[in-house]
Amino acid sequence: QKEVEQDPGPLSVPEGAIVSLNCTYSNSAFQYFMWYRQYSRKGPELLMYTYSSGNKEDGRFTAQVDKSSKYISLFIRDSQPSDSATYLCAMSAGGYQKVTFGTGTKLQVIP
Amino acid sequence: DGGITQSPKYLFRKEGQNVTLSCEQNLNHDAMYWYRQDPGQGLRLIYYSQIVNDFQKGDIAEGYSVSREKKESFPLTVTSAQKNPTAFYLCASSAVTGGGETQYFGPGTRLLVL
Repeated sequence: QKEVEQDPGPLSVPEGAIVSLNCTYSNSAFQYFMWYRQYSRKGPELLMYTYSSGNKEDGRFTAQVDKSSKYISLFIRDSQPSDSATYLCAMSAGGYQKVTFGTGTKLQVIP
Repeated sequence: DGGITQSPKYLFRKEGQNVTLSCEQNLNHDAMYWYRQDPGQGLRLIYYSQIVNDFQKGDIAEGYSVSREKKESFPLTVTSAQKNPTAFYLCASSAVTGGGETQYFGPGTRLLVL
């Protein structure tokens, strides 16, 4: 079993929809969580990071962490075709502990 | 502009040839990383360095070598011992922010075997 599980998709939604992207994990020591966006043939770009549990909002993006369920989510409101990309979750125990990445979910927003 | 640069964007390797991928950062980060990305497998860690003149093997170091002579530079050599080198290679550097390490990635190098 992988430490971090992420549905590969693809996930297709119409423009303007609310998108929910999720990861589950098994390591209870994880407390630092990140989301990256990767366009085709480009390097991943950091979207958001959160420490411990709770929500964090940045524009149309909201990151949510539920440590009791070992489940993290990224919500995208009013999705746009430019949001079409692969979204990677990443997590660690904090500090300079090893960062573990999910395999990514491919999102397609249809105009 | 602060950031991470990788070159070349595309690289072709012949059988038995060693090739070197360049990675430079001007973010003043101490730690740097090399990952390999294959379809459906996510990011796999090849090597990492937390300080100049020191580096550690990652999960798939066989067939690769690195050096860290300067803080800004972390080149990766793909040796002839790496039998399946075709992949997208990503370099990252990191800083600890908000309680954890955040990695910032370069644009990547796509390596193809002729």
